[in-house]
Amino acid sequence: KAGVTQTPRYLIKTRGQQVTLSCSPISGHRSVSWYQQTPGQGLQFLFEYFSETQRNKGNFPGRFSGRQFSNSRSEMNVSTLELGDSALYLCASSLDWRAATTYEQYFGPGTRLTVT
Amino acid sequence: DQQVKQNSPSLSVQEGRISILNCDYTNSMFDYFLWYKKYPAEGPTFLISISSIKDKNEDGRFTVFLNKSAKHLSLHIVPSQPGDSAVYFCAASGAGNNRKLIWGLGTSLAVNP
Repeated sequence: KAGVTQTPRYLIKTRGQQVTLSCSPISGHRSVSWYQQTPGQGLQFLFEYFSETQRNKGNFPGRFSGRQFSNSRSEMNVSTLELGDSALYLCASSLDWRAATTYEQYFGPGTRLTVT
Repeated sequence: DQQVKQNSPSLSVQEGRISILNCDYTNSMFDYFLWYKKYPAEGPTFLISISSIKDKNEDGRFTVFLNKSAKHLSLHIVPSQPGDSAVYFCAASGAGNNRKLIWGLGTSLAVNP
């Protein structure tokens, strides 16, 4: 079974631009979560989607948004990029957000975003 | 304010010995705890979990212990192998709709041959 895939793997943008990152979950997984990882803050939860609906949201500004499509693929968008948005963005999928086993998430390799 | 704390940024052990990674939490509403392992250039990989109704869960060389009164959990790896060298993250989750994972900053484990 193919794992979680994220595209692109690396991205360089300038301040003020916007960016869209993509995540394809494991086949059959319907829940997708996004995280931001930085050295000082660790993994910070951005949001979680299930059946095209946002189920949970972390404490990030409105510049960070996401969506999920009917095939469970998900995208996240960051508008008006700031230098502090430079980070590794990780996507994780799980079977179903309602079951205890969904705590066990499967991560993609991440997208390394650099804002200059 | 870190609700999940891994106070040791790094740990070094000899191959064959026990590795003990520690994690403390502050929120008594957490009811599910997980350990993930992360290699460079890869996403975290689920390792082992424990529910708050248990105090121990074992899976092969990996055992997680939970002390709810102390709000402390630990991951034991016995025996440690060089391939275990990675960053280990502790994560915790609340019940019901509050199930977003809160992560520690990680502990980098180096297992020396």
